[in-house]
Amino acid sequence: EDQVTQSPEALRLQEGESSSLNCSYTVSGLRGLFWYRQDPGKGPEFLFTLYSAGEEKEKERLKATLTKKESFLHITAPKPEDSATYLCALRTGSQGNLIFGKGTKLSVKP
Amino acid sequence: NAGVTQTPKFRVLKTGQSMTLLCAQDMNHEYMYWYRQDPGMGLRLIHYSVGEGTTAKGEVPDGYNVSRLKKQNFLLGLESAAPSQTSVYFCASSYPGLASYEQYFGPGTRLTVT
Repeated sequence: EDQVTQSPEALRLQEGESSSLNCSYTVSGLRGLFWYRQDPGKGPEFLFTLYSAGEEKEKERLKATLTKKESFLHITAPKPEDSATYLCALRTGSQGNLIFGKGTKLSVKP
Repeated sequence: NAGVTQTPKFRVLKTGQSMTLLCAQDMNHEYMYWYRQDPGMGLRLIHYSVGEGTTAKGEVPDGYNVSRLKKQNFLLGLESAAPSQTSVYFCASSYPGLASYEQYFGPGTRLTVT
């Protein structure tokens, strides 16, 4: 059964304190692993798609990496505006359906 | 481009009442999805559509119906609302021509059933 597990559930950082969020997964055939950002009261916003082990993608202070069992979202020198819930999702099947993890709520204090 | 829009933003229903949530997208996307998001449960797929006139069940379809009469619109109906359907509902769309099938989400509808 395809499954996505995110950890930790919540993470508090000081501004400038780098860290990583984890997304572990099991899937019969990886068709894409997605990262989204969700602000309170809003819909998820697409960040990255990763397809194969070893792949990396970057956007500003965020870098997503992928292994055969996990993906990491590395946050370098975070700012308060990076505070949000980060969602990991796995694409299943040929029709683009996604299975989402429960998310990591990131709080960055000034 | 407005992207994905949802109507209404908030709604309170009494048990047994019915309602329809409207999702509209102006990106000419083929695929559309309805999710619900509950605390501690994450996003779960209710129904989806791969094109005008087509619909299919997702992970949690019971108690909901959908229709896709026009490519740009995807309707989610609750025929007889139950308190267990209290949730935030998100619509999303994607284009299969994009290699990654990334989904673009609307702002959500917060539904309370009393």
